Amino acid sequence: QSALTQPASVSGSPGQSITISCTGTSSDVGGYNYVSWYQQHPGKAPKLMIYDVSNRPSGVSNRFSGSKSGNTASLTISGLQAEDEADYYCSSYTSSSTPLWVFGGGTKLTVL
Amino acid sequence: EVQLVESGGGLVKPGGSLRLSCAASGFTFSSYSMNWVRQAPGKGLEWVSSISSSSSYIYYADSVKGRFTISRDNAKNSLYLQMNSLRAEDTAVYYCAREAMVTGYMDVWGKGTTVTVSS
Repeated sequence: QSALTQPASVSGSPGQSITISCTGTSSDVGGYNYVSWYQQHPGKAPKLMIYDVSNRPSGVSNRFSGSKSGNTASLTISGLQAEDEADYYCSSYTSSSTPLWVFGGGTKLTVL
Repeated sequence: EVQLVESGGGLVKPGGSLRLSCAASGFTFSSYSMNWVRQAPGKGLEWVSSISSSSSYIYYADSVKGRFTISRDNAKNSLYLQMNSLRAEDTAVYYCAREAMVTGYMDVWGKGTTVTVSS
């Protein structure tokens, strides 16, 4: 069982918006603004999409946005495109030394 | 170009050992904490181990503590993971990942190296 809870799958049509939730505890998501989101296409390495809850790295589309409320973080993708179909993982720094980092179980995004 | 390239994966029998390497280029390796993250077949990401820039701070997941050893050689821009007493459940793709300078996320990832533990 993963430390952070994500829905196993979400889907949406091109042009629509979807939101993926990530629920943790006050020791991780709720305790720090260190939530990040990663996109992973099949057979590829994870790619950073959002860091520190809501910041986008250079080169990431502004269709991707992040937020947090209490112990739950969210990733929203607007204007869905076919290339957005991938697995998405949330992650958080934690207050314990083991694990130092926790990940969600991943959410499979299907673009219909 | 900032790049991380893992190597050293392969097929090993249960109880065996393997040493993974990660070669860094395009950035000042000695300034960054580094991590190993693994992904079992069809499963999610699991943090394995972290090492600070000067090797002063080292952390392990409970699942590998006492069996795996992380190390680095800043002169060679390289990160290592010595894996002993390997188990079937250690089978995974192992990624090397750079921790952002102001911590909170891993901003650069390698393509991974595959470790298979099977008799």
